[in-house]
Amino acid sequence: DAKTTQPPSMDCAEGRAANLPCNHSTISGNEYVYWYRQIHSQGPQYIIHGLKNNETNEMASLIITEDRKSSTLILPHATLRDTAVYYCIANKAAGNKLTFGGGTRVLVKP
Amino acid sequence: DAGVTQSPTHLIKTRGQQVTLRCSPKSGHDTVSWYQQALGQGPQFIFQYYEEEERQRGNFPDRFSGHQFPNYSSELNVNALLLGDSALYLCASSDRGASPLHFGNGTRLTVT
Repeated sequence: DAKTTQPPSMDCAEGRAANLPCNHSTISGNEYVYWYRQIHSQGPQYIIHGLKNNETNEMASLIITEDRKSSTLILPHATLRDTAVYYCIANKAAGNKLTFGGGTRVLVKP
Repeated sequence: DAGVTQSPTHLIKTRGQQVTLRCSPKSGHDTVSWYQQALGQGPQFIFQYYEEEERQRGNFPDRFSGHQFPNYSSELNVNALLLGDSALYLCASSDRGASPLHFGNGTRLTVT
């Protein structure tokens, strides 16, 4: 699986959009970009994934650059409950083993 | 619809002992994976079970073994516990090849 690089931490204001970057410059053509988050004392939670096109669901939007070397997860209106560690993972298929990095620790402040 | 359930939630064992952790997958899922998460780190893949067989394995010693039952539930066994085995053990399930992983909230194992 391609290595991903994320900033270790970031703060955002409650009610504002949170933009979480991820670099995956060595991603291969058949690898998807997956995002999970882990709220304290819970297991990781799937957020969204994409291959080439931008994706949106009820939780977030995923913007993938045209060259697929980076992506951004957007939480449109961050709430205090969005405080978590967010993991960006490049993976060939949904059920395959996931390689987690250090993730980005996001703190949403009132 | 129950998600992934794990038991027990917490466990304390002594070095050298053996431990068994249990996992019931989300309804409709047939594939179970186990992960180890040390404090402050991301989860590390241990192995994956499908059709009662180990299909993939991460870089973990043979002291870590597993089993999957016909009802798709799974067990993780760790023999000869070391202090370094203290971690959160996460179980995840999926509909093989068709869905993202759903994780349980884990079993916190402390080895003293």
